[in-house]
Amino acid sequence: QKEVEQNSGPLSVPEGAIASLNCTYSDRGSQSFFWYRQYSGKSPELIMSIYSNGDKEDGRFTAQLNKASQYVSLLIRDSQPSDSATYLCAGLMNYGGSQGNLIFGKGTKLSVKP
Amino acid sequence: EPEVTQTPSHQVTQMGQEVILRCVPISNHLYFYWYRQILGQKVEFLVSFYNNEISEKSEIFDDQFSVERPDGSNFTLKIRSTKLEDSAMYFCASRKTAPGGTIYFGEGSWLTVV
Repeated sequence: QKEVEQNSGPLSVPEGAIASLNCTYSDRGSQSFFWYRQYSGKSPELIMSIYSNGDKEDGRFTAQLNKASQYVSLLIRDSQPSDSATYLCAGLMNYGGSQGNLIFGKGTKLSVKP
Repeated sequence: EPEVTQTPSHQVTQMGQEVILRCVPISNHLYFYWYRQILGQKVEFLVSFYNNEISEKSEIFDDQFSVERPDGSNFTLKIRSTKLEDSAMYFCASRKTAPGGTIYFGEGSWLTVV
């Protein structure tokens, strides 16, 4: 069973702090990972993708991938109340085909307190 | 910005009835997907579709489910005889290229089976 595991939280941080979200995955063949943000009742919205080991920065967001440890993380710097949402980690995994399909974790609920 | 559009946004149906959920993927995308999210649970892959046929499907996508691309723009998910446990948000998604390439999600269709 191909799995993506996340701590469901809630994770509560004060405004301006760094929020750290973590994710592990089971499929060593997975090459691509994505962080989506989901507000309650809404669809997942892509924040970042990461394909290579190391860090990838985009504005206040930094994604980190460690394939040896099968670990993905997302750091949000200078957290804002508008960042309060559920953050979904997803890996592109194969069900035997060649395309790869997104397998999601349960999501971590982040609350940023003013 | 191009987006994936879904209709209806919300549908209530009686158990045993057939339901068709409709999606218009982004126009130059070639790979199409259906995901579902039961309330409070994770986003789950149902099926992927490419070149007018199913390319991959999960164990959730049983004989009660079918997908179709009846014309050049629409992509539909049919549930033949709905069950209470089919109540969920159904997301359509599309991607331009595979492997790799970002998967973009529609706003979702809430299905409530009573």
